[in-house]
Amino acid sequence: DVKVTQSSRYLVKRTGEKVFLECVQDMDHENMFWYRQDPGLGLRLIYFSYDVKMKEKGDIPEGYSVSREKKERFSLILESASTNQTSMYLCASDGGEPEAFFGQGTRLTVV
Amino acid sequence: EDKVVQSPLSLVVHEGDTVTLNCSYEVTNFRSLLWYKQEKKAPTFLFMLTSSGIEKKSGRLSSILDKKELFSILNITATQTGDSAIYLCAGSLNTDKLIFGTGTRLQVFP
Repeated sequence: DVKVTQSSRYLVKRTGEKVFLECVQDMDHENMFWYRQDPGLGLRLIYFSYDVKMKEKGDIPEGYSVSREKKERFSLILESASTNQTSMYLCASDGGEPEAFFGQGTRLTVV
Repeated sequence: EDKVVQSPLSLVVHEGDTVTLNCSYEVTNFRSLLWYKQEKKAPTFLFMLTSSGIEKKSGRLSSILDKKELFSILNITATQTGDSAIYLCAGSLNTDKLIFGTGTRLQVFP
């Protein structure tokens, strides 16, 4: 079974803090994605990566950056957290097929 | 702009009812249409539809795609409380991106 693991289930951070969300997949997938999920807005793509050190902006990249130094790991970075980044963050990966496998999600609250 | 729209946004039914969830899409470089079920945590994959008019079934769930009219439906027959979840529809692009709809929240009461 594909496993996508997000490092934290719940996080509470203060405004202005730098926040790292980590995601690891164990199936040698090329593609990895970060989404945020908000009520009424569905899942929106923040960034994705199709190879090590490669990244592309999704629909809402502002305020975020990403890092993919190893194939299995894709990190989402909030350089200076703000309250409007309070959300559920979901990581996903796929091996080139449309079906994506999701992590359990990280519920981030910025106070 | 690529767009996926789901309706209704929310649905409340009693056990045993049959429900139909709708998904329409306007997606360039369309590859396939996917349905996911999200309970409390990670969305889990239900169906991938690539060809028009071919129904996919899994137990009480079934889905079909109409590539001419650009929509898909997800049917759930004889609903159970365990079907309560958010159902997500996504359009898959040739660029490997997924465009998600807002989801339909289904609540099934005994």
